[in-house]
Amino acid sequence: QVQLQESGPGLVKPSDTLSLTCTFSGGSINSYYWNWIRQPPGGGLEWIGFCHHSGRTDYNPSLKSRVTMSVDTSKNQFSLNLNSVTTADTAVYYCARWGETSGIKAFDIWGRGTMVTVSS
Amino acid sequence: EIVLTQSPGTLSLSPGERATLSCRASQSVSSNSLVWYQQKPGQAPRLLIYGSSSRATGIPDRFSGAGSGTDFTLTISRLEPEDFAVYYCQQYQYSGLPLTFGGGTKVEIK
Repeated sequence: QVQLQESGPGLVKPSDTLSLTCTFSGGSINSYYWNWIRQPPGGGLEWIGFCHHSGRTDYNPSLKSRVTMSVDTSKNQFSLNLNSVTTADTAVYYCARWGETSGIKAFDIWGRGTMVTVSS
Repeated sequence: EIVLTQSPGTLSLSPGERATLSCRASQSVSSNSLVWYQQKPGQAPRLLIYGSSSRATGIPDRFSGAGSGTDFTLTISRLEPEDFAVYYCQQYQYSGLPLTFGGGTKVEIK
């Protein structure tokens, strides 16, 4: 059974870097695009960006200057770094697979999400 | 970026009734790039419909999607108790524009 699981600190200080990892189990991390999406408390969904094992990335222009994503094929993991965080970055962070390789042009697999609070 | 506007914001209906949710795009969207998700409290979104009208694996046939251009709809033919949730539409164009989500429609029990 394919699964995604987010991990990382639940509390980050303002101006610090938010770092999260997502582990994919039940398959290979190759051949798909891997995404981060966030949802502030009581709010809607915001796409942060994607990464691919080839090194290709694409980020939401609204966050591009602060975001870095990468894939670690040896661990079947991918990661998110968001620097210079503020309280506006407080949200549930989801990792998700873009399923186009399987013919599904959508986020077909999601992690359960991890709440990250930015506070001093 | 392409803005997706969902309406209504909240839909109050009874089990057994029909729900029609709207998603309007600020510019034309390819039909194979419009997606619908369902989200229940405390859970991650779940894929319902992709390519405007294709149901994801395991999604019951009371869920259907339709539309083209700038206007898309999600219809739930007869609401079951487990269908009361928030629904989001999402689009992605391979044109350099970012992937975006609509603001969501909450389907609540009347």
